Amino acid sequence: AQKITQTQPGMFVQEKEAVTLDCTYDTSDPSYGLFWYKQPSSGEMIFLIYQGSYDQQNATEGRYSLNFQKARKSANLVISASQLGDSAMYFCAMIIHSGNTPLVFGKGTRLSVIA
Amino acid sequence: GAGVSQTPSNKVTEKGKYVELRCDPISGHTALYWYRQSLGQGPEFLIYFQGTGAADDSGLPNDRFFAVRPEGSVSTLKIQRTERGDSAVYLCASSFYRVRDYGYTFGSGTRLTVV
Repeated sequence: AQKITQTQPGMFVQEKEAVTLDCTYDTSDPSYGLFWYKQPSSGEMIFLIYQGSYDQQNATEGRYSLNFQKARKSANLVISASQLGDSAMYFCAMIIHSGNTPLVFGKGTRLSVIA
Repeated sequence: GAGVSQTPSNKVTEKGKYVELRCDPISGHTALYWYRQSLGQGPEFLIYFQGTGAADDSGLPNDRFFAVRPEGSVSTLKIQRTERGDSAVYLCASSFYRVRDYGYTFGSGTRLTVV
């Protein structure tokens, strides 16, 4: 079964600086996808970015980029130019495409952006 | 509707009572998922529907939990003989078949408190 590990319970970053949130995963299936979600204090889960296991390039979406290192089974989220509104919980998640399994989430990292 | 709608947003019930939580997915989304999120944790998978049928109910914790989606749209999560440990936010999500572009779209959740 697949597993997601987020080892940073909390992170602080200065406004306008970049921050990296760590995510490692475990699966033996070759076809999978990795997601990052943001959950503000209001509770909704907001989809940020997706990386497929066969994608040749790292995914980017605006200020978000995913540092995908397949051999290390890591999929770290990089947020550039942090803003106060980036303060939230961030969850890494994985899906196995071949088995049509649902998303499995990590425990999350709480990011606090300091002015 | 424009997004995934969950009702009620908050539910307080007494231990031993029966509750129903409703999810109205995005029109046209064939897949529907229920997750449970305890305080400080990531969402945990409960059950997944493809159309009207439950494709995977392996996450349901015990037989007090049941979910239906009779017409392939709205879904109801039913919890019998509620226990204090059932207190959590119950999240519903829906998706197109091709999840890589948009991920799952989540509702705002139902916060269940069992007293």
